[in-house]
Parts: sequence; structure tokens; C-alpha cells
Amino acid sequence: RKEVEQDPGPFNVPEGATVAFNCTYSNSASQSFFWYRQDCRKEPKLLMSVYSSGNEDGRFTAQLNRASQYISLLIRDSKLSDSATYLCVVASEGNNRLAFGKGNQVVVIP
Amino acid sequence: DVKVTQSSRYLVKRTGEKVFLECVQDMDHENMFWYRQDPGLGLRLIYFSYDVKMKEKGDIPEGYSVSREKKERFSLILESASTNQTSMYLCASSLSPRRGRSYNEQFFGPGTRLTVL
Repeated sequence: RKEVEQDPGPFNVPEGATVAFNCTYSNSASQSFFWYRQDCRKEPKLLMSVYSSGNEDGRFTAQLNRASQYISLLIRDSKLSDSATYLCVVASEGNNRLAFGKGNQVVVIP
Repeated sequence: DVKVTQSSRYLVKRTGEKVFLECVQDMDHENMFWYRQDPGLGLRLIYFSYDVKMKEKGDIPEGYSVSREKKERFSLILESASTNQTSMYLCASSLSPRRGRSYNEQFFGPGTRLTVL
């Protein structure tokens, strides 16, 4: 089983709509969770960390479900500029290494 | 702002050549990483280093070696390039965990697209 699994999509989203996707992780000892964003032909960049209590940053909301071992990302009021691949990333306690999912590709359509 | 730079954006080499990919970061980060990214396979860790002259194998180290002689520089070496090493190579750096913080953000360079003919 892959350490981090994501449905690659693509997720075709009308502009202004809401899109949500999940990622599952296999290591129950995982401690830190993140969403990175990668634009086409660019490097990944941190979008947001995911806390146990969930967190929100503008139109983006991230949730963590430790019992079921998944994290989610929700994008409200989608903009054309949200088109990108969203990478789910997991780290273990004190571990400098990250486990990356293959990404959810989001395409926002006018 | 953290800056991670890579020596080339695009590189074309021939099978059997020795290839050096250089990465430099300017924020005094202890950890440096080399990944490759391929369609359908995502990011895969080749090697990483948590200190000068230290290195650890990642998930796919075969066919690669690394060098970290200075804290700011981490080099990836393909001893004898092969066509299956055609890929996007991404370097990243991060601070080591500190008290109360198990992880620090990884900052990526712009990538080197290597083609081996």
C-alpha cells in the first residue's frame, strides 16, 4: 500500500464552484500533514498545514481525520488561478523526510 | 525569502555521460533533498542530507550519488546517465526539527529537466 494515496483526477470545476478532495495515508504514526500546491512546470510550494482541529485560510479549508487516516482540502468559490495540482504531504514525528501523494489535478473552467 | 537555486533549468546529455546537478540554498538550512518527478509517479526521494558530509538514501538511490561538502550546496551525480533517468529533478531544503516542532517546511528549487538521449 502506498504511504499517501490521492485520486489524481483531473477535477474539472466551474468557476465559482466548490471542490473537495481527500487523501489517505497508511502510517498511523504520522504526525504532520500538509497540502502543497504545484503549478504547471513549477516547483511545489506549501499551501497550508493541516491541524487536528482543522484550519482555514481564506477560501481554503483543510481537515484531518486521524481515526480514518485521511486529510481533506476544500476550495470554495473557485478561481481560474486555483488551477494547479494539490499534493498531499505527510511526515512522521521528528522525521525530516516527507511522503508525497501523486497529487489532485484541479482545472477551473470559466 | 528562502531561495533554492539549481544550476540548470534544462539539460540534455548522452547515455553514459557523467552528469552533475547542483543545488544551492541561501537560508542556512541543515537538510537538503533530491527528488525526481515523473508523470503518474509523483515525487520520489533519491537522497537527502541532514548535515555537511552526511547523506542518506531515499526511496530510489540506484544509479545516483550525492555530495555535500558545504552546508549550502548539495550535488546530485549520475555516474553513467541512462535513458530511464530522463526526468524532472527537484532539490529542496528545510530546517531540522526544533523543540515543539516536528517538521519544517521544505522549500523547492525551480527544477532541472534532464533528457538523456
